[in-house]
Amino acid sequence: GAVVSQHPSWVICKSGTSVKIECRSLDFQATTMFWYRQFPKQSLMLMATSNEGSKATYEQGVEKDKFLINHASLTLSTLTVTSAHPEDSSFYICSARASGGSQETQYFGPGTRLLVL
Amino acid sequence: RKEVEQDPGPFNVPEGATVAFNCTYSNSASQSFFWYRQDCRKEPKLLMSVYSSGNEDGRFTAQLNRASQYISLLIRDSKLSDSATYLCVAKNQAGTALIFGKGTTLSVSS
Repeated sequence: GAVVSQHPSWVICKSGTSVKIECRSLDFQATTMFWYRQFPKQSLMLMATSNEGSKATYEQGVEKDKFLINHASLTLSTLTVTSAHPEDSSFYICSARASGGSQETQYFGPGTRLLVL
Repeated sequence: RKEVEQDPGPFNVPEGATVAFNCTYSNSASQSFFWYRQDCRKEPKLLMSVYSSGNEDGRFTAQLNRASQYISLLIRDSKLSDSATYLCVAKNQAGTALIFGKGTTLSVSS
């Protein structure tokens, strides 16, 4: 199956630091990528939808200036958590939808665990 | 009301048991539904899509009742390796993104 990678897998940082997470589709082109966040024992919550070459669409309640998304190419989307605070500690997961493939096929990355001290 | 609701469990069953998970969704415009499996500290992985006619994949059977906005997953002959969290998922109204339930935790013991 298609492969999506995320980097880094783990991040521990001090409060106030900005953290960048990369999501790459390794063997397919993804016009659309999605960013989710999952707190312990909670469901995955969609944060934003990222379309290549255009601005991301953010879900209600997600601050676009806090969570900067860039989807500059068909294989890479980045999420930057700006001025991270302890409440931003979470599991961030991206998924990618293959171009021209089944509209229902999304491939998830392995996730990035962020701990803000 | 959450868009997708599930009984969080946990369900603790012995090997070989049959277990059923239920899920309801609030948006009647949702068209596509799925069951995902998520192991601890891992990303979710697609288990199966759910079709109106019901569908089966080995020991797993999924059912959809659009009138009741209800989805189910039946696991027969449970294995130890089935222990995981099962996520009920609906596609959003625009059909562009997935809406996840909180998940139901299954623990199968020997």
